Amino acid sequence: GQQLNQSPQSMFIQEGEDVSMNCTSSSIFNTWLWYKQDPGEGPVLLIALYKAGELTSNGRLTAQFGITRKDSFLNISASIPSDVGIYFCAGSITSGTYKYIFGTGTRLKVLA
Amino acid sequence: NAGVMQNPRHLVRRRGQEARLRCSPMKGHSHVYWYRQLPEEGLKFMVYLQKENIIDESGMPKERFSAEFPKEGPSILRIQQVVRGDSAAYFCASSLEPYNEQFFGPGTRLTVL
Repeated sequence: GQQLNQSPQSMFIQEGEDVSMNCTSSSIFNTWLWYKQDPGEGPVLLIALYKAGELTSNGRLTAQFGITRKDSFLNISASIPSDVGIYFCAGSITSGTYKYIFGTGTRLKVLA
Repeated sequence: NAGVMQNPRHLVRRRGQEARLRCSPMKGHSHVYWYRQLPEEGLKFMVYLQKENIIDESGMPKERFSAEFPKEGPSILRIQQVVRGDSAAYFCASSLEPYNEQFFGPGTRLTVL
């Protein structure tokens, strides 16, 4: 089936550093979502992207819908300890859908 | 806080037993989705239900798995005759409309011994 490749798989960074992660697909997507999952909890939606080239921010988080429509990027600026968690991208071929393909996640650890 | 509730949070079963996972959607939400998450993997869609109806069960194994969302009460994901490979975290999400943001519950972590 379709797969999303997320990278890096995990990363350790120092508090205050900026973080970048990305997600690539073999198919063209029309919607990209970015979620964060804290340990023992369910995912929480961070940012939703609906148009190629779209750049959207949510506080210190910025996500972009790649021009090729086969990738998306998430940046976190000035990381803090509570940014720890697993970040998932999810994509859909169709717009206005309930069914998304999820990436395998980027595990972020922030060293104080 | 009327978020999505799931219980139990942890469930241990022996091979061959039945597992019943419950999900109460957010207040006012009538659309429920179940996902499975294996260790080190992303979530995989299993089934989408609206009150009393299964809308899409394309991600659900054909055997041993069933889901319902009755008129009254929580949505139930039922796994009969569990096997070790069923060990995973099962998440429920709900939405106000089918194409709106899905809000996830905390998950049920099923361990099959």
